[in-house]
Amino acid sequence: DAGVIQSPRHEVTEMGQEVTLRCKPISGHNSLFWYRQTMMRGLELLIYFNNNVPIDDSGMPEDRFSAKMPNASFSTLKIQPSEPRDSAVYFCASSPRTGSGNTIYFGEGSWLTVV
Amino acid sequence: LAKTTQPISMDSYEGQEVNITCSHNNIATNDYITWYQQFPSQGPRFIIQGYKTKVTNEVASLFIPADRKSSTLSLPRVSLSDTAVYYCLVGDTRGYQKVTFGTGTKLQVIP
Repeated sequence: DAGVIQSPRHEVTEMGQEVTLRCKPISGHNSLFWYRQTMMRGLELLIYFNNNVPIDDSGMPEDRFSAKMPNASFSTLKIQPSEPRDSAVYFCASSPRTGSGNTIYFGEGSWLTVV
Repeated sequence: LAKTTQPISMDSYEGQEVNITCSHNNIATNDYITWYQQFPSQGPRFIIQGYKTKVTNEVASLFIPADRKSSTLSLPRVSLSDTAVYYCLVGDTRGYQKVTFGTGTKLQVIP
């Protein structure tokens, strides 16, 4: 079975540009998570969806960040405009059910560098 | 969501058994304990999950005392490839909850 698929794997962009990260969760999973990881802040939960509906977006750093899940098999995380401090690895993950005790399956991450 | 506390880092020699303990004093009745492993440049991956007593799989063992206020991940005979960050999470399998990761324990296996 295919795991969580993220694209792009690597992106280098200039400050001020729009960045769109994409995620395809595991088929049949109804929860989707976006995380950001940096050395300084560790693994941070940005937002999570259940059945395509955003449940908690309190981790989204500011209005420059937005996330959508138009259907069960696709989600995007957009940063507009991007800034150098947004440089990080962004992970998408999915889970078959809600509840933090359920196993979460991570993608390989999107490595973003904003110069 | 129950807070967890783990050592920030550990070193071990190859071939030794490694035990990483996680404290979760406020664990709720319906909470499960789950451990994840994260290699450099990869996302975390599930290792093991338990509710009470002992759970063993091909990768590790998980020991949970009767009061469930802590748990110990045991890695038998570690190799260099076990160098990773290990995260302990506690949570219910139901409801809507944030799934947050703490700082984890960085295990360095030494030749």
